[in-house]
Amino acid sequence: QQQVKQSPQSLIVQKGGISIINCAYENTAFDYFPWYQQFPGKGPALLIAIRPDVSEKKEGRFTISFNKSAKQFSLHIMDSQPGDSATYFCAASVFSKTSYDKVIFGPGTSLSVIP
Amino acid sequence: NAGVMQNPRHLVRRRGQEARLRCSPMKGHSHVYWYRQLPEEGLKFMVYLQKENIIDESGMPKERFSAEFPKEGPSILRIQQVVRGDSAAYFCASSPSTNTEAFFGQGTRLTVV
Repeated sequence: QQQVKQSPQSLIVQKGGISIINCAYENTAFDYFPWYQQFPGKGPALLIAIRPDVSEKKEGRFTISFNKSAKQFSLHIMDSQPGDSATYFCAASVFSKTSYDKVIFGPGTSLSVIP
Repeated sequence: NAGVMQNPRHLVRRRGQEARLRCSPMKGHSHVYWYRQLPEEGLKFMVYLQKENIIDESGMPKERFSAEFPKEGPSILRIQQVVRGDSAAYFCASSPSTNTEAFFGQGTRLTVV
C-alpha cells in the first residue's frame, strides 16, 4: 500500500513534443505529490509538487495533473527540449509527516528528447 | 551557500572490504537522510539522522550497515564486508527541519568488485 507506481520506464520524445509520465498510488492518506528531476551524475532535484486540493498545477512548461478519485497523477512537459532529457521520479507522502523518511519514490522514467 | 556535499563521488571496493561514504549537509541543516538507488529503481530510503541521533533506520539492512551523524563533522554511512549486491548509488539529502524540502547531494557511486 506504500508503493508508488510509475510508467513508462523510458520515453523518447521529439523536440517540441509533449512528454507525459504517469504515476499511481494506493495509500489514500497521501496528500503531497512532488516530482523530481535527475540529470546523469547528479542528485535528484525538486521540480514541481502538488497537493490534492487542486487538480492541476503549472510551472512554465511543466504541469502536474491530479485525479484524486483514480489515485493517479501525471507530469506533462510541453514543448519538450533536449535539455529536459533526464530521469523523472514521482513521489508521494503525507504532508503533515513529510520528513523525508516518509516520502515514497516511484521507480523513475528515463526521458530522452531527440532533436 | 554550498549544496550538500558527498564524497567520494566514486568508490571501488573489493568484496569483504569496508566502504565509508561521507555527507556534509547544507549549512544550517541538521537533518540528514540516506538513500540507495539501484539501476532502474527509485530511491529507497535507508536512514534518517539528526545530530547525534538516529531517528529512523527502518530502511537500513540490520547487518553490515551503520550510520552516524556526529556533533561535529559529516554524516557517515558505513558498509562493512561489502558484497557485489551493495553496488549502487548512495545519495544523502539534508533539510533544516521536518516538513521542509530536503536537498540532495550528487551521490557516491559504489562499485564492489
